[in-house]
Amino acid sequence: QKEVEQNSGPLSVPEGAIASLNCTYSDRGSQSFFWYRQYSGKSPELIMFIYSNGDKEDGRFTAQLNKASQYVSLLIRDSQPSDSATYLCAVVHNYGQNFVFGPGTRLSVLP
Amino acid sequence: DTGVSQDPRHKITKRGQNVTFRCDPISEHNRLYWYRQTLGQGPEFLTYFQNEAQLEKSRLLSDRFSAERPKGSFSTLEIQRTEQGDSAMYLCASSPKATGVYEQYFGPGTRLTVT
Repeated sequence: QKEVEQNSGPLSVPEGAIASLNCTYSDRGSQSFFWYRQYSGKSPELIMFIYSNGDKEDGRFTAQLNKASQYVSLLIRDSQPSDSATYLCAVVHNYGQNFVFGPGTRLSVLP
Repeated sequence: DTGVSQDPRHKITKRGQNVTFRCDPISEHNRLYWYRQTLGQGPEFLTYFQNEAQLEKSRLLSDRFSAERPKGSFSTLEIQRTEQGDSAMYLCASSPKATGVYEQYFGPGTRLTVT
């Protein structure tokens, strides 16, 4: 059974702080990992993806992947109130096959 | 280039009726996916197409659900004899070919309410 787990939150951080969002997955064959942001009532929006162990940075966002520990995280630096949303972790086992999504973590950035 | 579009955005139907949703992917994206999302949950995979071929269908998908992508462009998802448990957001996503990563881009979704 392929499972992706996330802490549902809410995770509250003050404006300007670093928000750390975590995701674990059960399928060791997983190859690509995605982070999506979803505002209430809207569809998921791709933030970034990672497929190699280590860190990948894109602006204020950094994705971290540790395949040995089956763990992927998303760091948001200088958090803004506009970052308040649900963050979904998605995992792909084989290239191009269906995504398995976690339940999402709700982030609240307090002004 | 426009994003993924879905129609209708909202649908209210009575239990037992059939409904059909349409998805237009980003042009030249050869992969198209359907997901269902309920409140507080992540999207749940339903089915996906590569061009016009339906390559995978979730075991959770009952026989009341059918999807088509007849010319490898737009896709339709039909739900027959709707039940109250079908109420959800139905999301369509597409991904480009030959990027090696197959990131998916979502449409705005169709929110279905079965009364």
